[in-house]
Amino acid sequence: IAGITQAPTSQILAAGRRMTLRCTQDMRHNAMYWYRQDLGLGLRLIHYSNTAGTTGKGEVPDGYSVSRANTDDFPLTLASAVPSQTSVYFCATSRGNLNNEQFFGPGTRLTVL
Amino acid sequence: DQQVKQNSPSLSVQEGRISILNCDYTNSMFDYFLWYKKYPAEGPTFLISISSIKDKNEDGRFTVFLNKSAKHLSLHIVPSQPGDSAVYFCAASAPGGATNKLIFGTGTLLAVQP
Repeated sequence: IAGITQAPTSQILAAGRRMTLRCTQDMRHNAMYWYRQDLGLGLRLIHYSNTAGTTGKGEVPDGYSVSRANTDDFPLTLASAVPSQTSVYFCATSRGNLNNEQFFGPGTRLTVL
Repeated sequence: DQQVKQNSPSLSVQEGRISILNCDYTNSMFDYFLWYKKYPAEGPTFLISISSIKDKNEDGRFTVFLNKSAKHLSLHIVPSQPGDSAVYFCAASAPGGATNKLIFGTGTLLAVQP
């Protein structure tokens, strides 16, 4: 593993189903983030975690939940997917200090039908 | 309410010329600004940043200018190369908290023509 990995790469999901997007990092960064990217809206923060054991809500948290059991993993769960959650999802990390850039994973393309 | 705005969805430039990408923000509390570059089917990659205590930061062909009074920043790429063709996002963060949460603009698609 080098950097940030996300799985799956893409997924088509029926509405109402539960889905967990996985994110794993090997950079030992304290902070992790989940964004969604939608055309015309840029990247919007869903949830974040300052350090293992803590999480916080971002700009668009409704319909999503996260957990941070350890430093490396930060899964994003859609409890009951809806079509408006069709998007490209990016996981990101940073050292967690102020004014640090964030590093992004390759993304997961999710389609909810 | 879009706190970070990139009003040009796309920009086309000839190879060798200067590319200027613009970004405006509304929150005067933002004190750190970043530019990211994104190729299709890849995650965004960090390009360059600037703190609000500066008005210019340069890294090779890339220069970011910050005008705090106008709440405006711009990214200059000179000379532009075909490999620079990508979507460029500006982002801003505000002080406070253990993690700098970024607010992103909507992106500008740059096409550099050979």
